[in-house]
Amino acid sequence: DVKVTQSSRYLVKRTGEKVFLECVQDMDHENMFWYRQDPGLGLRLIYFSYDVKMKEKGDIPEGYSVSREKKERFSLILESASTNQTSMYLCASSRQQGPGDSLYNEQFFGPGTRLTVL
Amino acid sequence: AQSVTQLGSHVSVSEGALVLLRCNYSSSVPPYLFWYVQYPNQGLQLLLKYTTGATLVKGINGFEAEFKKSETSFHLTKPSAHMSDAAEYFCAVSSGGSNYKLTFGKGTLLTVNP
Repeated sequence: DVKVTQSSRYLVKRTGEKVFLECVQDMDHENMFWYRQDPGLGLRLIYFSYDVKMKEKGDIPEGYSVSREKKERFSLILESASTNQTSMYLCASSRQQGPGDSLYNEQFFGPGTRLTVL
Repeated sequence: AQSVTQLGSHVSVSEGALVLLRCNYSSSVPPYLFWYVQYPNQGLQLLLKYTTGATLVKGINGFEAEFKKSETSFHLTKPSAHMSDAAEYFCAVSSGGSNYKLTFGKGTLLTVNP
């Protein structure tokens, strides 16, 4: 059974704290993604990684950074948390095989981390 | 650039009624299209997807969707709603190639009334 896990389901932090959100996948996927989900705004891509130590900015990277030291693990870092970063954070992974692959472009999601910044 | 529009942020149906959730997309190349479902306090789960071939796609839990290129649509349907279908539904599009990113719609919350 394929799985994406996230380190915490619920997290409460204070303004200015450094926050680490961890994501691990056991499917040997090359691609990993961090999204932020807010009511009425859907999912917005924060950062994307297509290989170890490689990263690409998504639509809303400001205030965030990422780290991918191992293929299975992708971390999202809030350098100095702010109240407007209170949100649900979703991690996903996908394979990089070509169009003939039945799982091409399909993303698998973790359960999410609901972060509250006070 | 690609985009997704889901018409109706909230749809309410009675148990046993037809479910119709609308999705229109824009893409400069032939798209890959997905519907995901999110139950409360959970991550997203794939319902169905269109890549190539047959334009009517069947998914899990009795859902299906039809890719209509001329209408740039990928609407999700289910003949008879069940209480357990209450969830938020997201349509997504990918242009494929080396771009592995998905662009998501803003979601439609489905309520099923007894």
